Amino acid sequence: KQEVTQIPAALSVPEGENLVLNCSFTDSAIYNLQWFRQDPGKGLTSLLLIQSSQREQTSGRLNASLDKSSGRSTLYIAASQPGDSATYLCAVKDGGYQKVTFGIGTKLQVIP
Amino acid sequence: EAGVAQSPRYKIIEKRQSVAFWCNPISGHATLYWYQQILGQGPKLLIQFQNNGVVDDSQLPKDRFSAERLKGVDSTLKIQPAKLEDSAVYLCASSLGGQGWEQYFGPGTRLTVT
Repeated sequence: KQEVTQIPAALSVPEGENLVLNCSFTDSAIYNLQWFRQDPGKGLTSLLLIQSSQREQTSGRLNASLDKSSGRSTLYIAASQPGDSATYLCAVKDGGYQKVTFGIGTKLQVIP
Repeated sequence: EAGVAQSPRYKIIEKRQSVAFWCNPISGHATLYWYQQILGQGPKLLIQFQNNGVVDDSQLPKDRFSAERLKGVDSTLKIQPAKLEDSAVYLCASSLGGQGWEQYFGPGTRLTVT
């Protein structure tokens, strides 16, 4: 059974800092991994999707990397802004039954 | 392009009552997902449809939850009878289809069972 862990559970940083969010998974036979952000009371917004054959994806100030063999992904946010404050979730899609498993998220607060 | 639509946005019911949620995916998206998100937790997949067939419903409590996707477009998720522990946000997502496509989420329905 796939298990997804996100560390840290919460993070508070001053504006302008670069930061890294971590996601680890127990079964490396994945099809893809997707990072989302969730604002309070809202649905999930897709940030980046990494296929199992890829090592990283970039979008603006966001960079996500994937090391499938070690069961890890990181989301790098450059020059953080108060608008980045949200909960960040990673989701893994298994290669066999296409089952999707989410972590519980990292709650990020960027202080002006 | 219109996003994933869900209704209602909020629902309050008493335990043992029934409730239904509706989802309209992005046009052309073959895959539809229903998730349950309990406060402080990540979303848990309840059921996944590919067109109008079920791909995975292993975590759906089938004694009280049911879901259907008529004509491979809209979907409804029903709970009957509801329990206190069903209080959660119910999220619908869709993707183009197949394994590699990213998921797009609706705003969710917040259910409170009293």
